[in-house]
Amino acid sequence: SAVISQKPSRDICQRGTSLTIQCQVDSQVTMMFWYRQQPGQSLTLIATANQGSEATYESGFVIDKFPISRPNLTFSTLTVSNMSPEDSSIYLCSVLSRDGNYEQYFGPGTRLTVT
Amino acid sequence: QKEVEQNSGPLSVPEGAIASLNCTYSDRGSQSFFWYRQYSGKSPELIMSIYSNGDKEDGRFTAQLNKASQYVSLLIRDSQPSDSATYLCAVNPRGGYNKLIFGAGTRLAVHP
Repeated sequence: SAVISQKPSRDICQRGTSLTIQCQVDSQVTMMFWYRQQPGQSLTLIATANQGSEATYESGFVIDKFPISRPNLTFSTLTVSNMSPEDSSIYLCSVLSRDGNYEQYFGPGTRLTVT
Repeated sequence: QKEVEQNSGPLSVPEGAIASLNCTYSDRGSQSFFWYRQYSGKSPELIMSIYSNGDKEDGRFTAQLNKASQYVSLLIRDSQPSDSATYLCAVNPRGGYNKLIFGAGTRLAVHP
């Protein structure tokens, strides 16, 4: 499976500010995904990031709040904009396996606390 | 009705026993099913995938799928304290374009 890294691993931010999270993969992948895991909860898909096209957002998530970039096949960013305490979560990127078996592998996550 | 349902637990089993984790899903057209293990403070780790009815074994883990009944289960044989974690069931829904819908997870505690 691919080796996935995320930056930053954690951050504490003030409300009203924005944070950009980076996801780097050691090999080219077609599809990358961004998930949110709120405290004590399971994972919720925010959006699917495809290289060369606009991200596809899930219901309840909008581009103005969570803009995503996917400049190439090994990198993506997620920005959490105009943050509020409700945005305190772990943000995870994942990549789709290149084996055609629909498996996804996750990065280590970014723990965000908004004060 | 939630799309993917799991008993939140905790499921407590003694060391050496078989742990049985269950998951049901609502989309009958779902095609791909996955079990992830998540240790506290860590990201999910894929441990099993299953695509067709029946059993799939990998070491101490066996995944079972029954599409007619819309359930998927994970059996862990010879449970070890190191298996103590939250187990997440994930489903790729029909027309889901590779996205995954996760259950809430079942917390497993294996006690010596």
